[in-house]
Amino acid sequence: DSGVTQTPKHLITATGQRVTLRCSPRSGDLSVYWYQQSLDQGLQFLIQYYNGEERAKGNILERFSAQQFPDLHSELNLSSLELGDSALYFCASNREGTSGYNEQFFGPGTRLTVL
Amino acid sequence: GQQLNQSPQSMFIQEGEDVSMNCTSSSIFNTWLWYKQDPGEGPVLLIALYKAGELTSNGRLTAQFGITRKDSFLNISASIPSDVGIYFCAGSVMDSNYQLIWGAGTKLIIKP
Repeated sequence: DSGVTQTPKHLITATGQRVTLRCSPRSGDLSVYWYQQSLDQGLQFLIQYYNGEERAKGNILERFSAQQFPDLHSELNLSSLELGDSALYFCASNREGTSGYNEQFFGPGTRLTVL
Repeated sequence: GQQLNQSPQSMFIQEGEDVSMNCTSSSIFNTWLWYKQDPGEGPVLLIALYKAGELTSNGRLTAQFGITRKDSFLNISASIPSDVGIYFCAGSVMDSNYQLIWGAGTKLIIKP
């Protein structure tokens, strides 16, 4: 158990809909990263938040947005969903800034299916 | 942009065989990480490397941070069925805002 939690585990929705994925980082971790993994593909970095502020953006679509709240949990919002958005979405956290170490610890993921 | 080449893409192995995979980058890295992902699960950190030349073991797994700082390898000795999965390398450069660059993964499959 990495200490990172994600909900829900599975999500099935229709095209055009909007969903929210939730992540709670490990205790003490200030940084949260979101990744998308399509079937049999690698990890695509979407966005990073650090202590409530957006830190870096990757290949995130304009239809997607995220935020990190004062209690450090994060939400990824996906709107106007398309079939191609079906994927595993992972959240990871790390304790950046404490010693320069870069290990990211991953949650169990949310499997999104768009029908 | 920075590139990470991970090879091989997939491997068919017999139980008991030793396995080797590697990653090379176009840039000098100051961190190399190796993760394993089981189907439908999140990646799990196996080994972290922070010094050029560093050789680190975790059970049957051994990883090294290349002297040139542009490569790393992971060896698995005496493979067992639960070694099946996808292995990812990841690295970062200095002042990278703690971003990781990811390899495409090596899929390990046990021959029937």
